[in-house]
Formats: sequence, structure tokens, C-alpha cells
Amino acid sequence: DAGITQSPRYKITETGRQVTLMCHQTWSHSYMFWYRQDLGHGLRLIYYSAAADITDKGEVPDGYVVSRSKTENFPLTLESATRSQTSVYFCASSGAGDYGYTFGSGTRLTVV
Amino acid sequence: AQSVTQPDIHITVSEGASLELRCNYSYGATPYLFWYVQSPGQGLQLLLKYFSGDTLVQGIKGFEAEFKRSQSSFNLRKPSVHWSDAAEYFCAVDLNTDKLIFGTGTRLQVFP
Repeated sequence: DAGITQSPRYKITETGRQVTLMCHQTWSHSYMFWYRQDLGHGLRLIYYSAAADITDKGEVPDGYVVSRSKTENFPLTLESATRSQTSVYFCASSGAGDYGYTFGSGTRLTVV
Repeated sequence: AQSVTQPDIHITVSEGASLELRCNYSYGATPYLFWYVQSPGQGLQLLLKYFSGDTLVQGIKGFEAEFKRSQSSFNLRKPSVHWSDAAEYFCAVDLNTDKLIFGTGTRLQVFP
């Protein structure tokens, strides 16, 4: 199906473990983004990518790693999960010059 | 500091009443402006956007927003609220960087 999909939808992991959140889009959009949503903070940008093999830090990148070897995929990895990374994570994509994003349904991550 | 402010954390209205959600920004230049809606457990959906031109913008679901340069505001309005409008609403700006900066959101509750 066309669109932007995130997996898993829910994830519980232990402190110190590595976890990867997946994001896949079918529009060949140039731009992809990862946000985290926390109460009282709205959405904060973690990392973004303007094209395959081009990534850059956002507002809150510490503890996260991204890669973009293919245009359609933009995985987010927590190298060593901490409780402060418990959050809802949203992936989004946008075509160059489109302005305004299309969002995935989110991944609710709990770190225990 | 540069920011997007949504001063109302929570608003309650009766079904059929009018609605106005406030958004102010503090940037030197006029950014591109957006309103998104998030239903519980869902991703964000674009309601409307403003780039330039007519300062009254029409969106989906009967929403509109008015850009007021003198007040650095982009308030969202709806003449008659439906119970299905209960959700969280986010104002966002793009400083011509292809990255969105979000406000902290306003949760709308609708009473029958």
C-alpha cells in the first residue's frame, strides 16, 4: 500500500539494549524526518534526511543514530536505550518544495 | 528566543459552538505556517498551510486560519465544532529550511 509505515507499533525494551525503529515510505519523497513526542514538549526533531546518504541532526539527536542507504527507508536506532527515551516516535516524509509533511502512525517505545 | 507558542494547553467547548485556537511565533521573517491535527493514537494530519497571499486560509474539515503579520499570529478557527473534532492540534512553522518546528499543542475536548 502507498504511504508511510512505521514498525513496530509498540515496543518495550530494557535499559541498555539497542533498538531500531523502522520507517518506510512509498512516494520516493526526498525528505524524511524523525520526531519524538512527549507531553509538554510537542514534537521535537531528532534527525532528518534530505536524500539518500544525507542525514543531519535535529534538536535532540543525542543517543540516536540514523542511516538512509535507500530513499524509501529511514531507520532510527537507539544505541543504548535509556528511560528518558521512552516516548512516541513519529516518522514523516516530504517531497522537495512540497512543504508540510505526511506522518506515519507512530511507534510507542517504553524503556524499562 | 525563536519559538512557536500555543498558549492554551487544553480547551473545552460545547458541540456546535465556535472555536479559535491560538498560535504565535517569534521569528524575524514570516515563516511558512501550518496547522496539524492528531486524533488519539494516530499520526498527525495536515489541516491547512499558509505560504503567502490571502491571509485567510481554508483547510479540510471546515477549518480556517488567519495570518496576522502585525500580531505574529496564525489562529485556527471553526464556526461550529463537531464531537469528532476532539483531538490535539499543533501549530508548526517552516523557516524555509524544509524542517518543521512545532508548538506544544492544544488539546480540544468537545462536550455534547
